[in-house]
Amino acid sequence: NAGVTQTPKFRILKIGQSMTLQCAQDMNHNYMYWYRQDPGMGLKLIYYSVGAGITDKGEVPNGYNVSRSTTEDFPLRLELAAPSQTSVYFCASSDAGETQYFGPGTRLLVL
Amino acid sequence: AQSVSQHNHHVILSEAASLELGCNYSYGGTVNLFWYVQYPGQHLQLLLKYFSGDPLVKGIKGFEAEFIKSKFSFNLRKPSVQWSDTAEYFCAVTLTGFQKLVFGTGTRLLVSP
Repeated sequence: NAGVTQTPKFRILKIGQSMTLQCAQDMNHNYMYWYRQDPGMGLKLIYYSVGAGITDKGEVPNGYNVSRSTTEDFPLRLELAAPSQTSVYFCASSDAGETQYFGPGTRLLVL
Repeated sequence: AQSVSQHNHHVILSEAASLELGCNYSYGGTVNLFWYVQYPGQHLQLLLKYFSGDPLVKGIKGFEAEFIKSKFSFNLRKPSVQWSDTAEYFCAVTLTGFQKLVFGTGTRLLVSP
C-alpha cells in the first residue's frame, strides 16, 4: 500500500493564481481530511469528508474548496491564492473512529 | 471552545536524559487521545493512542503516555532519549465517535549527542 499520497511536493504561486492540491489514499478509508500547518500553530482542519459526495467545513475553510467524487481522491482547490495561504498542507485519511494517517505534505509559497 | 494545550514549545535535552512533554485538553465528553511525531522533513506519524482501557499506553520507539482523566492530561514520556528523537511532537484529541482531530501547537524537541 502506498498509503496517503500528495502532489505536488512544493509549489510557488503568484497572488491571484489558482491551483489544486491532489490527495489520494489506497486504504479504502471513508474519512479524509485537509489540514494546514503553520509554524507555532499546530495543524488546523480546513475541510473533511466522511465519504464520496459528502464534504464539510473544518476550522479554517475560507479561500478553499474541496470535492470528493471517489473514495480514493480528495483534492483541495485554491481559487485566488493569497499570501496568507502560504503554508504546508497535509492530507489524511481514516476509518470511522480510528487513527488518521497522513500524507507527506505539500509546501505552498504564495508571492 | 475545545482546545489542546502543549505548554512546552521547545525542549532541549542531552542524550540519555528523561523526557516528559505535557498535554492538556479541554473537552467535556469521552475522548480519544493521540501523540504524533514529525521528524525533520517528514510527515506526521502516530506514536501512540488512547481510546479506552489501561490509561498507561505504550507506543513505538520506547515512548509511553498516561491518561489522567481528573487532570485532563495525556503526557508523553520516554526514560532515555536518543539523538534520533529530535522531532516535533503533537498531541491531538477527538471526542469519541467524532472524526475531527484538534491538535496542540506542538513541541520541538532537540536532543544533543
